[in-house]
Amino acid sequence: NAGVTQTPKFRILKIGQSMTLQCTQDMNHNYMYWYRQDPGMGLKLIYYSVGAGITDKGEVPNGYNVSRSTTEDFPLRLELAAPSQTSVYFCASRSSVETQYFGPGTRLLVL
Amino acid sequence: DQQVKQNSPSLSVQEGRISILNCDYTNSMFDYFLWYKKYPAEGPTFLISISSIKDKNEDGRFTVFLNKSAKHLSLHIVPSQPGDSAVYFCAATTWAGGTSYGKLTFGQGTILTVHP
Repeated sequence: NAGVTQTPKFRILKIGQSMTLQCTQDMNHNYMYWYRQDPGMGLKLIYYSVGAGITDKGEVPNGYNVSRSTTEDFPLRLELAAPSQTSVYFCASRSSVETQYFGPGTRLLVL
Repeated sequence: DQQVKQNSPSLSVQEGRISILNCDYTNSMFDYFLWYKKYPAEGPTFLISISSIKDKNEDGRFTVFLNKSAKHLSLHIVPSQPGDSAVYFCAATTWAGGTSYGKLTFGQGTILTVHP
């Protein structure tokens, strides 16, 4: 059982480049989330989705975009990478409040 | 505005003793609280939760206490084991009415080190 998978595990971007962080879950969960974690800080919500075709902004959405064309996939897009987007990105999905399953994370470095 | 705060960045405990991790919140709309555990290079994993209608929830070695009047919760680990060494995050959400969509607000985390 794969759970929540994220690719890539690590990426270095130059300022102004774009990239898509992939997230896939195989648990048929409707709810999916993207968080970022900066050093010494807690996780902050970027975007979330309550089902295919429905997305909404979280606490820190600026500089990011998402789409949810299927139940399984919830990609996060960075259009113009900035050093402030250097962080670890976690995708999660859930069936109920306490069972929010997290992926292993993508470490992004923007130089 | 940090709505969920963990004021102790780190905690060091001897194996077999009690570990107490603390968390404070400011948003009175929060009514459901969770603790997550995170190992390096892994995503957080759910540990234990508590609803605001309770003041205590226990699961094996882990107990969470909630003091609503003080807007404070704590996680007790008894006895502590070296395998408990990890970062512990407190999180909160508004569950009543079902409009939170499961969005969690996290504290900064506390690094727990349990020495053999």
